[in-house]
Amino acid sequence: EAAVTQSPRSKVAVTGGKVTLSCHQTNNHDYMYWYRQDTGHGLRLIHYSYVADSTEKGDIPDGYKASRPSQENFSLILELASLSQTAVYFCASRGAQRGQNTLYFGAGTRLSVL
Amino acid sequence: GNSVTQMQGQVTLSEEEFLFINCTYSTTGYPTLFWYVQYPGEGPQLLLKVTTANNKGSSRGFEATYDKGTTSFHLQKASVQESDSAVYYCVLGPSNSGTYQRFGTGTKLQVVP
Repeated sequence: EAAVTQSPRSKVAVTGGKVTLSCHQTNNHDYMYWYRQDTGHGLRLIHYSYVADSTEKGDIPDGYKASRPSQENFSLILELASLSQTAVYFCASRGAQRGQNTLYFGAGTRLSVL
Repeated sequence: GNSVTQMQGQVTLSEEEFLFINCTYSTTGYPTLFWYVQYPGEGPQLLLKVTTANNKGSSRGFEATYDKGTTSFHLQKASVQESDSAVYYCVLGPSNSGTYQRFGTGTKLQVVP
């Protein structure tokens, strides 16, 4: 069974502070993703990566940075957290081989920015 | 561009009723189409997928047909149970020009006993 672990599971941050969300996968997958979930918007892609030391912008990258130091780890960084970044964040991974197109999600991180 | 549309934000049914969740998509090429389900407090998980146009996928009593003609991928279930209460996402797989999936806005299903 694929395993994606997110930490922390919840966090309260102050406006203007720095927040780092972490994701670790043991699936040996090449692709990793960060999604944001908001009511009425579904899941929107922030950043993704298909190889270590490289990240790509998704649909809503503004205000977020990403880091992929190894195949297993993918972080989402909010340098200056804002109220509008209050949301639930999901990390996911998938393989790069033909047919490996299923996403495996972590349990999510609930972020509240006050 | 690539997009997925789910018009129903919420659906409320009684147990044993028929479920129909609408999904239409816009893309070029022949991507895989997915339905993911998300239970409270969890991340989304794959419900079913179809890789070939005009084929049907099924899982746990749910069915969806990849209709290239109408660009639709509606989700159906003949008889829902309370345990089916969850959020359902229609997802468009990567096309030849992209490397990531696109999610619809989700449909929250509430099944009352």
